[in-house]
Amino acid sequence: DAGVIQSPRHEVTEMGQEVTLRCKPISGHDYLFWYRQTMMRGLELLIYFNNNVPIDDSGMPEDRFSAKMPNASFSTLKIQPSEPRDSAVYFCASSLALNGEAFFGQGTRLTVV
Amino acid sequence: GESVGLHLPTLSVQEGDNSIINCAYSNSASDYFIWYKQESGKGPQFIIDIRSNMDKRQGQRVTVLLNKTVKHLSLQIAATQPGDSAVYFCAENEDNQGGKLIFGQGTELSVKP
Repeated sequence: DAGVIQSPRHEVTEMGQEVTLRCKPISGHDYLFWYRQTMMRGLELLIYFNNNVPIDDSGMPEDRFSAKMPNASFSTLKIQPSEPRDSAVYFCASSLALNGEAFFGQGTRLTVV
Repeated sequence: GESVGLHLPTLSVQEGDNSIINCAYSNSASDYFIWYKQESGKGPQFIIDIRSNMDKRQGQRVTVLLNKTVKHLSLQIAATQPGDSAVYFCAENEDNQGGKLIFGQGTELSVKP
């Protein structure tokens, strides 16, 4: 397996535009996580899914952020409208089970200007 | 605990020396802990984990120690190599929080040749 795959690797967009980040988890993993990493706040969990169902979205900053998982092999994180303070590296991770190792993707570096 | 702060603690060691990276966690109910390594431009990578029913676990060149009394976790790297230079994060998980990993602040390890 190629691991967790995220796209794009880099995204630069203007304030107010919609941004969609994509993730393909490792095949067979039942859990998918979206994290955001900034210098100020470190790694923060935004939302996670179990068997394509959102379980905990308490980390989603505000209504501008939404995440979907239409099937076991694909998830999106959307920001609409984007703002400069959303600039960060967004990571997707997947794991087989609860309390288990999470495998991270390479991340998407988002810059909102 | 939660990751906050403008800059990371830094540990500088000489190649060949042993490194010890420390982490204080916040939740006494946490029962699963992981150390991750993050190299520049990459996602966090699993190093080693430990459950709360253990106080020590060894891997290849790495040892994790858990002291539940003082809520302290440490990662020991034997014979540190230049390739070990990275940011190291501890993460904690409380069983009834499902797959929710809470990451620490991170420590930047710099290995001098």
